[in-house]
Amino acid sequence: SQTIHQWPATLVQPVGSPLSLECTVEGTSNPNLYWYRQAAGRGLQLLFYSVGIGQISSEVPQNLSASRPQDRQFILSSKKLLLSDSGFYLCAWSVQVAFTDTQYFGPGTRLTVL
Amino acid sequence: DAKTTQPPSMDCAEGRAANLPCNHSTISGNEYVYWYRQIHSQGPQYIIHGLKNNETNEMASLIITEDRKSSTLILPHATLRDTAVYYCIVRATNFGNEKLTFGTGTRLTIIP
Repeated sequence: SQTIHQWPATLVQPVGSPLSLECTVEGTSNPNLYWYRQAAGRGLQLLFYSVGIGQISSEVPQNLSASRPQDRQFILSSKKLLLSDSGFYLCAWSVQVAFTDTQYFGPGTRLTVL
Repeated sequence: DAKTTQPPSMDCAEGRAANLPCNHSTISGNEYVYWYRQIHSQGPQYIIHGLKNNETNEMASLIITEDRKSSTLILPHATLRDTAVYYCIVRATNFGNEKLTFGTGTRLTIIP
């Protein structure tokens, strides 16, 4: 069966510090990978998605970046965090089956920027 | 993707069936109905999806009306662990439409 891991689970960082969040998927090959952010009391915002190694699409311009160095690894980074980067960061994966691709989410990382 | 409308909150007694409605009157022919739930401070959990036929899995049943303008998620024997926010999403799963758009959902509370 497939599993998705995210770490760390929680993170408190000062403004201006760098960020690196990691997501890995087990039990599947060549998944589509996604980074979402959920601000407090709000819906999900898609940040990045990737259909393969080194292929990253950005949905929203911001000071965040994403990389996919391996097939089942997705990394979210920032060189300098802003207060507005606080939120719940979710990684998800999907694989196309017939005409659908269901997205499955990880446990999330709660980031607080102070 | 078509917009969905859900009641903001519902209560259900433990052990009874929880029936969560969703209206999607502008759904297109190639759009699927997906249900997710989110328990506080956890990532969203996929429950079930369907196109036009009723679907059932180990978690729930999905009943889609014949005109596809509405659907109902059924949790057959609700437990306290089913307390969560439930999201109904309509989505065409074609390349270039990767984004999942969660609305405000229905906050389901299971009463002991």
